[in-house]
Amino acid sequence: ILNVEQSPQSLHVQEGDSTNFTCSFPSSNFYALHWYRWETAKSPEALFVMTLNGDEKKKGRISATLNTKEGYSYLYIKGSQPEDSATYLCAFIKNYGGATNKLIFGTGTLLAVQP
Amino acid sequence: DGGITQSPKYLFRKEGQNVTLSCEQNLNHDAMYWYRQDPGQGLRLIYYSQIVNDFQKGDIAEGYSVSREKKESFPLTVTSAQKNPTAFYLCASNLPGTSVRFFGPGTRLTVL
Repeated sequence: ILNVEQSPQSLHVQEGDSTNFTCSFPSSNFYALHWYRWETAKSPEALFVMTLNGDEKKKGRISATLNTKEGYSYLYIKGSQPEDSATYLCAFIKNYGGATNKLIFGTGTLLAVQP
Repeated sequence: DGGITQSPKYLFRKEGQNVTLSCEQNLNHDAMYWYRQDPGQGLRLIYYSQIVNDFQKGDIAEGYSVSREKKESFPLTVTSAQKNPTAFYLCASNLPGTSVRFFGPGTRLTVL
């Protein structure tokens, strides 16, 4: 059974605070890691696809890093805004040696940014 | 606008009844997926289809059935054999050439 764990489960911050959360995944047979943002009453949307150890991706105030050797990825939000409030999901893809398209999702981190 | 539509948004069903959740896409994507979300759990794969007239079981297919007669449509039937059907159901397609999922807005099914 593949375990993808996210922490913390939820996070409440004030507007302007910077924050980060973690996605842990099996470190063997890594293929890719995805981050998705899921706002209330909307569809989950892809933020980042990360494939290489040491990858760093950035989109505006949001960035992510990847450590495949130790099996974790961090998502950072600089200067959180109320519109950043959402559930952030990570999804791990294992390298099965053939077609690799199965995503294993974590339980998500719920971020609430207070104005 | 291209996207995935799921209907209805909320669905109530009496115990013992089958119910079908709709998923339609106009993105021309080949692969489509059904996921289920329960509190405290990650999204779990129910069924997926890589191409028309073909589909595969996911991790939790028992009590569900699907069809893929058209590229645009991938309906999910929740049968009376599904022991705990109350959940939030998400349909997704795959961005071609990638593993990135493109999701619909979801259907919340409640069994009364």
